[in-house]
Amino acid sequence: ETGVTQSPTHLIKTRGQQVTLRCSSQSGHNTVSWYQQALGQGPQFIFQYYREEENGRGNFPPRFSGLQFPNYSSELNVNALELDDSALYLCASSLAGIHYGYTFGSGTRLTVV
Amino acid sequence: GENVEQHPSTLSVQEGDSAVIKCTYSDSASNYFPWYKQELGKRPQLIIDIRSNVGEKKDQRIAVTLNKTAKHFSLHITETQPEDSAVYFCAAEPNNNNDMRFGAGTRLTVKP
Repeated sequence: ETGVTQSPTHLIKTRGQQVTLRCSSQSGHNTVSWYQQALGQGPQFIFQYYREEENGRGNFPPRFSGLQFPNYSSELNVNALELDDSALYLCASSLAGIHYGYTFGSGTRLTVV
Repeated sequence: GENVEQHPSTLSVQEGDSAVIKCTYSDSASNYFPWYKQELGKRPQLIIDIRSNVGEKKDQRIAVTLNKTAKHFSLHITETQPEDSAVYFCAAEPNNNNDMRFGAGTRLTVKP
């Protein structure tokens, strides 16, 4: 059984640029949720993907978008990067309809300069 | 959407003492309440969870209690050890299973 993997682990981007973060879900999981964790804060829900469609969204602007692929892996895209987008981006996978907690990846540390 | 508040933000205890972290939630539809431990530079790890049809759950030194009427739940760690030092997050998820919200976290320090 493989866990959740995210890439890249670290990334530095310039304000105004675009970024794509990637996540491979745990074997047997079909749902992927993305979270933004600023330093010293709790994870903030961005959105969730299930059956290749957005299945719930937090309070994030449209420049945060995502995709889910048939193998359940997912991408998070952020356009027009702002300095406040600097954070740890966590991906979590789960099995839809089953409450037993999420399995998190190690995250991507994004720094916007 | 759901709003989860967690306190205290920092907690320091002596090794062997107990630690209690409390959370409240706003959405009465929430029915699943996990707790995560995040060590420095690592991913959040699920340590215990409770569902709304249960009032208390225990796993060795860790226990969680839930009061649905008051919309609050708590994590209890007994006989704390230095390796319990970490940031702990509570979370709440409604039945639709697509919107898990986290508290702001509690930094627990266990002094040897």
